[in-house]
Amino acid sequence: EADIYQTPRYLVIGTGKKITLECSQTMGHDKMYWYQQDPGMELHLIHYSYGVNSTEKGDLSSESTVSRIRTEHFPLTLESARPSHTSQYLCASSATGRSGNTIYFGEGSWLTVV
Amino acid sequence: AQSVTQPDIHITVSEGASLELRCNYSYGATPYLFWYVQSPGQGLQLLLKYFSGDTLVQGIKGFEAEFKRSQSSFNLRKPSVHWSDAAEYFCAVGGGSNYKLTFGKGTLLTVNP
Repeated sequence: EADIYQTPRYLVIGTGKKITLECSQTMGHDKMYWYQQDPGMELHLIHYSYGVNSTEKGDLSSESTVSRIRTEHFPLTLESARPSHTSQYLCASSATGRSGNTIYFGEGSWLTVV
Repeated sequence: AQSVTQPDIHITVSEGASLELRCNYSYGATPYLFWYVQSPGQGLQLLLKYFSGDTLVQGIKGFEAEFKRSQSSFNLRKPSVHWSDAAEYFCAVGGGSNYKLTFGKGTLLTVNP
């Protein structure tokens, strides 16, 4: 199992503020992902990275941005938060290889924009 | 394009009863299939996965799933449900060089005492 840490777990923030959701993994996985999940709904991939300095947009359009400067770190940033950004954000990672399609998740960051 | 359908949005069972959660997938090649469980306010925990080989896969917490290629299904089963199994269950498909998973909409499991 991968150890993936997300901070903060819960955040309430005002409209227009800049926020960064942190995600770190200690397993040396080269691939990392951000999923967005509204309450009671399915997961949607918003960003992914296949390695350092590699980032791609996911299937669901998002106003957030990501960076991958270190293998273990994949932060997500919202420059100007809006109420429509209220959601749960799940970070995940996987390793290259036969088991590479196994994606392990962090515990999520609940964002509320008021 | 790959897709996953979980036909049951919400299932209620009594504690001790058997459970089957349905999952149908669409994928152009041999799929990699997964079941995850999510408790309220938590992330997703991997229950089990199928890559190849034996079509009956054993997972954690007493769960198992059977891959049926002819039916494009990967149903999750448990012979006797515990109250702690109440959660949301997600089926997912991926495969080959595609490291991105596609998730179903989830099935919410309620367990009555």
